[in-house]
Amino acid sequence: EVQLVESGGVVVQPGGSLRLSCTASGFTFDEYTMHWVRQAPGKGLQWVSLINWDGGTTHYEDSVKGRFTVSRDNSKNSLYLQMESLRPEDTALYYCVRGARGDGTKEFDYWGQGTLVTVSS
Amino acid sequence: DIQLTQSPSSLSASVGDRVTITCRASQSIRRYLNWYHQKQGNAPKLLIYAASSLQSGVPSRFSGSGSGTYFTLTISTVQPEDFATYYCQHSYSSPRTFGQGTKLEIK
Repeated sequence: EVQLVESGGVVVQPGGSLRLSCTASGFTFDEYTMHWVRQAPGKGLQWVSLINWDGGTTHYEDSVKGRFTVSRDNSKNSLYLQMESLRPEDTALYYCVRGARGDGTKEFDYWGQGTLVTVSS
Repeated sequence: DIQLTQSPSSLSASVGDRVTITCRASQSIRRYLNWYHQKQGNAPKLLIYAASSLQSGVPSRFSGSGSGTYFTLTISTVQPEDFATYYCQHSYSSPRTFGQGTKLEIK
């Protein structure tokens, strides 16, 4: 059974830093691109970042470029999101999401339950 | 960046109705379009990928069509468990983007 379990969400002050983690199981982690998607309270879904299977390619949503860094450790089946210079508008539930396998077209087929980040003084 | 516009933003339907939600892209995304629904308090669930491929385990009353810039999601016979918020999302390029959502409510 595929499982994605996020952790690390807390209340943090504006300007602060935080690292989110996602531990994957039930599939061959290093064959898949992985994504972070967030959802502000009562709002829609917003894609945040992706990292390809070996970490050699990363992409970010414009509002987090230069502040967030996605990484992975395939030996630990883990995905990370390092968040710096946090802003109140970064407050959201952050989901770890499985992407495509290799050059496949199917992505976002498995989601974690999310970890809540609250940026507030 | 590619923008996705869903319509309607909200929709009231009765059990047994046929409903259609549309998603328009700001430029051609070929068939790189996915559909999800999200129930309150839960993570989104993939329904349709690559515009018309039904995700494993998803009931056949859900179907998708379209290519280029115009896409539709149809529920042939709405069931009680289908009342949720529906999102389209493209996987054509980065940044990925989602539509703003369509809330399907009980009439």
